[in-house]
Amino acid sequence: RKEVEQDPGPFNVPEGATVAFNCTYSNSASQSFFWYRQDCRKEPKLLMSVYSSGNEDGRFTAQLNRASQYISLLIRDSKLSDSATYLCVVNRRGHNDMRFGAGTRLTVKP
Amino acid sequence: EAQVTQNPRYLITVTGKKLTVTCSQNMNHEYMSWYRQDPGLGLRQIYYSMNVEVTDKGDVPEGYKVSRKEKRNFPLILESPSPNQTSLYFCASFPTGSGSEQYFGPGTRLTVT
Repeated sequence: RKEVEQDPGPFNVPEGATVAFNCTYSNSASQSFFWYRQDCRKEPKLLMSVYSSGNEDGRFTAQLNRASQYISLLIRDSKLSDSATYLCVVNRRGHNDMRFGAGTRLTVKP
Repeated sequence: EAQVTQNPRYLITVTGKKLTVTCSQNMNHEYMSWYRQDPGLGLRQIYYSMNVEVTDKGDVPEGYKVSRKEKRNFPLILESPSPNQTSLYFCASFPTGSGSEQYFGPGTRLTVT
């Protein structure tokens, strides 16, 4: 079993839709959680960190459920520019080696 | 501008011909990492470095070497490349702390024939 698992998609949604991605992690010692965005053939870039209490950044909301060991990303009012692959990333306590999910691909269509 | 640079960006080579991919960061970060990205597998860590002269293996170190003689540079060396090392490679740097954002280079697409 992979340490970080994501639904690979693809998710094809119309503009304005709300879409949610989930990610599960297997290591209960995981301490830090992130969502990265990766455009085609480009480097990953941090979208947002995920905090225990949940956090929001504009149209994006991230949630963490430690008991069930999953994190989620909600995108409201999808834009064409949101089309990308979203990577779930976790880091174990006391380590500096990030574990990446394989990514969920999102395509937003007009 | 704060950035991580990698060179070359694209490389086609033949089996067994030694190559080096350079990585440099200008943010004075202590930590640097190398990853490879393959379809369906996500990014997998090859090696990482916590500071000058301190390196450690990641998940897939076989066939790779690294060095960290200066804080800003972290080259990846393939002594004898093989076709299964055909991949997209990313270098990343970040300050100390497990909750740090990682800054990635633009990637190096390597093909070994």
